[in-house]
Parts: sequence; structure tokens; C-alpha cells
Amino acid sequence: QQQVRQSSQSLTVWEGETAILNCSYENSAFDYFPWYQQFPGEGPALLIAIRSVSDKKEDGRFTIFFNKREKNLSLHIKDSQPGDSATYFCAASASSGSWQLIFGSGTQLTVMP
Amino acid sequence: DAGVTQTPRHEVAEKGQTIILKCEPVSGHNDLFWYRQTKIQGLELLSYFRSKSLMEDGGAFKDRFKAEMLNSSFSTLKIQPTEPKDSAVYLCASARGNQAPLFGEGTRLSVL
Repeated sequence: QQQVRQSSQSLTVWEGETAILNCSYENSAFDYFPWYQQFPGEGPALLIAIRSVSDKKEDGRFTIFFNKREKNLSLHIKDSQPGDSATYFCAASASSGSWQLIFGSGTQLTVMP
Repeated sequence: DAGVTQTPRHEVAEKGQTIILKCEPVSGHNDLFWYRQTKIQGLELLSYFRSKSLMEDGGAFKDRFKAEMLNSSFSTLKIQPTEPKDSAVYLCASARGNQAPLFGEGTRLSVL
């Protein structure tokens, strides 16, 4: 079963638009949610992360919106640029017990110039 | 600070060979992870060490995959014997405390 689900395998937006990538999870014990960005031939790079005590985390053009009751979150990329074209992974972990990340299957974002 | 270093970047093996992938975590990080990445399965956890102790050995990967952490600054992943289905990118990541892991560039393994 998929504990972390990213609803879209791919997403295409135009330059300047806001890209919205969605993620949902099943385990109520998850309390830490990082997003990773991966370019071809590279390892995933940590982009931004949120803890479940917050409902929003912003870093420049990147914002996470978190809904604990609905068990979902989204990554908003404002003013998308062609250089943002990459695969984005949502991940989740529980701070209690053995600490390890569960990854979603990724969303491939393409930003058209 | 140096990031996570993985060597080699690419490896080609014949079926049945033994290969060893290497990882140097970020200095001061006490968590180390090995993941396998494929298009079909995505990111799968192979092993997880905390302060050099094996916390998770990846269940289904036990039989031919063995990760070791000989000291806090070096880890290896041995695959023995290799099979064509092992062709994938192998990623090492390290973390400190309850922070998100930082990944290396990965080793792309091709098994013929």
C-alpha cells in the first residue's frame, strides 16, 4: 500500500504561473514532511520541509500548505521558471520510533517558456 | 561543508559479480540511509543506520544486499551476486537529528 501518495505523475505549466503539486498520506503518526527536487542524473535535493504543528511554510517562491485533518499537503511554486522543471518528491516521517522517510512516487513538473 | 559523496558514479557489472558501492556521509551526521531508485518502484529503502547501528535492513533486499558502516564516516553497500534486475540508481543519504536527509549524487548500476 502507498503510505504517501502524489496524485499527479506529471504536471505542465507555463512560465510565470503557479505550479501546485499535491500529496496525501495515510499514517497519522507522520509529523514531518520534506519535499525534494530532483534533476536528471542527480540525487534528490531537499527543497523545503514542514512539521505538522504548522499549516504553512514559505521559502522564497516555494510554499507548503498543510492540512492535518485531511492528511494532505501541497507544494506551491510561484512564478514558475523553466529551470524549475524537475521531479518533485513528497516524503513523510514520524519523529517517534525508527526515523525514516517514506517517499511518494514523484511528480514530474515541466515549465514551458 | 562537503555533501554526501558516493563512488563510483557509474558501475557496469556482469550477472553474478560482486559489486561494492561506497558512501561518505556529511561529517557530524549520525543517520545514514541507502536507497534504490527505479522508474517503476521509485525510492525504496535498503538500509538505515543510526550511530553505526543497523536500524532497518530493508526486508526484501536482505538476501543479496548487505550494507555496512565500518566507521561514522564510511559505509558500503555490497550486492552479491548481482542480477540484471538490480540495475538502478543507488542513493546514499545522511542526516543529523530529526532533519531531512541530504542525498549524494548516486551510483548508476547496470548489470548485463
